[in-house]
Parts: sequence; C-alpha cells; structure tokens
Amino acid sequence: GQNIDQPTEMTATEGAIVQINCTYQTSGFNGLFWYQQHAGEAPTFLSYNVLDGLEEKGRFSSFLSRSKGYSYLLLKELQMKDSASYLCAVRSNDYKLSFGAGTTVTVRA
Amino acid sequence: SQTIHQWPATLVQPVGSPLSLECTVEGTSNPNLYWYRQAAGRGLQLLFYSVGIGQISSEVPQNLSASRPQDRQFILSSKKLLLSDSGFYLCAWSGGGSRAYEQYFGPGTRLTVT
Repeated sequence: GQNIDQPTEMTATEGAIVQINCTYQTSGFNGLFWYQQHAGEAPTFLSYNVLDGLEEKGRFSSFLSRSKGYSYLLLKELQMKDSASYLCAVRSNDYKLSFGAGTTVTVRA
Repeated sequence: SQTIHQWPATLVQPVGSPLSLECTVEGTSNPNLYWYRQAAGRGLQLLFYSVGIGQISSEVPQNLSASRPQDRQFILSSKKLLLSDSGFYLCAWSGGGSRAYEQYFGPGTRLTVT
C-alpha cells in the first residue's frame, strides 16, 4: 500500500519562502512528483525527483531523500498567483502515481 | 505538442442514471492513460489505467468501468450512478513504457449526482 503525508494548509506572505514537506511509505519507488492545482482546475506538473538531492526550476525547488522517505517543495519569492494546492505524488514501480491529499498554500499581501 | 481533451466540463445527473465521460489525447501515440477522481478537499484517487488498446486495469472495485476503444481515446462509464460518484474526474496521459514519467492532466469533468 501507499501512505503519503503532507500538511493540510500553509500561509505565507508575498515575497517570502515556503517549504512544503512530504513523507511517504510505499511499496516500490520509482520517482516523486510535485503538482500544482489551482481551485477548480486540473493539476499541472511542477517537478520530478528520482535520485537524492535538490532539483531547481526557477522559483521552485524540490528535494528528495529516498532513505528517509522524505521530500520537500520549496517556493521562493512567493507571488499571489502561487496560492494553490500542492500535491505530492509517488510513482510505484509499475508507473502508477499515488497522491497525497495536497497542501493548500495561501499567499497574503 | 500534445493536448488532452475531456468532455463534458460539467454534468449533473440523477441517481441511477448512466454515465459516459470521454477523454482524447492528441500529438502522441501509444500513451498510458489514466482516470482519477477527486472528491471535494481530497487527493486524487486512481480509478483505472491503460497501457494499450483494450487493456484496462482497475484500481478500485466500484460501479464504474473504463474502455479504450482506440489508441488515444479513454472512456469512463457507469450503468447506474450513486450519490458517492460525485466528484471531479480527471483524465491523464503519460509516455508509454519506460518513458512513463510525469502525467499530464485534462481539464476535468465536474460531476454532481443528485
């Protein structure tokens, strides 16, 4: 089975940094994904980690530690448009994704 | 470039009525296709996935079924809807085989069963 945990909600100020943690316990591991989902819309792909370490893509970075079953998504220089739900997902060895419940980030002016 | 279409965008159906949601992908061949459901305030639940025409894997036993009549067409169906079937239904695709990395989602269908 799959168990993926992430905080329910986070609030931060425009221009600040927010770190969203994700811990997982899965049967099989073949990569960890982060998706952004604005209210009422479909998720959009943000990042993919399969090896330990940090992947940086502009204002967003994602980190993975496979031995600890842990990942985080770092959002820098927060903008109002970053207010959304952020979904952590783990791919099992047969290419299925299991999603966490998502973290709702609210950016305040 | 690849695009994924879903229709209808919204649907209101009475309990006990049938359901048919359609998803098509353009710009790629032999994709892996997925159906997810997202209940209000919850994560995505994988319902079905398909790695080829006529090949359907079911993740959750329920009153829903899926079919893949063509390479880039994926259909979600039900003979009799339940109240608990309400939710946001998302179709997604990824590259097939060992290239099955990130999944890309369609715009979704918001289903309300009354």
